[in-house]
Amino acid sequence: DTGVSQDPRHKITKRGQNVTFRCDPISEHNRLYWYRQTLGQGPEFLTYFQNEAQLEKSRLLSDRFSAERPKGSFSTLEIQRTEQGDSAMYLCASSLAGGSADTQYFGPGTRLTVL
Amino acid sequence: AQSVTQLDSHVSVSEGTPVLLRCNYSSSYSPSLFWYVQHPNKGLQLLLKYTSAATLVKGINGFEAEFKKSETSFHLTKPSAHMSDAAEYFCVVSDSGGGADGLTFGKGTHLIIQP
Repeated sequence: DTGVSQDPRHKITKRGQNVTFRCDPISEHNRLYWYRQTLGQGPEFLTYFQNEAQLEKSRLLSDRFSAERPKGSFSTLEIQRTEQGDSAMYLCASSLAGGSADTQYFGPGTRLTVL
Repeated sequence: AQSVTQLDSHVSVSEGTPVLLRCNYSSSYSPSLFWYVQHPNKGLQLLLKYTSAATLVKGINGFEAEFKKSETSFHLTKPSAHMSDAAEYFCVVSDSGGGADGLTFGKGTHLIIQP
């Protein structure tokens, strides 16, 4: 039973560079979420997909952030022109829609450091 | 709108003594409530969830939580702390079953276990 996986686990980049992170959800899950967690804080919701449709993206932090899930399976989160304030842990979660509350299962995260 | 307040940023208990982590929530609807645990350098793990069934919810590793609507609380308890319980604990609320609003996390409570 494989859980949610994220790649890379760590990314160090220079300010102004673009970065892309990948998330592979649990195989039968149709919902996929991205969160950001900064030091000493709880995760903050960014965006979510149901299958390939991005149903909420107004919480993305700026227009430098974008996400895709082209075939309804894996997803990518891209940050363009990175800034030092983008340094954080980026978490992906997946769930199976249905019932009163679908439980989200989280991946290990990608830790981004912007120099 | 939904929000969560974790009343203690740090809690320190001795091994073998009870644990109480306090959480109050605000929600426009009948919420779903969760507790997640985050061990250092590991992903978020679901401890338990409340979804309008029994108000006393039992989770993994001996943890339980009680939903009290009149007090808008969802405190996490464990009768006897173990050294392996040392971690960051997040109280989480969802109005929408985890969909368009994602999950709203509290700021976390750092649980310290004294030998």
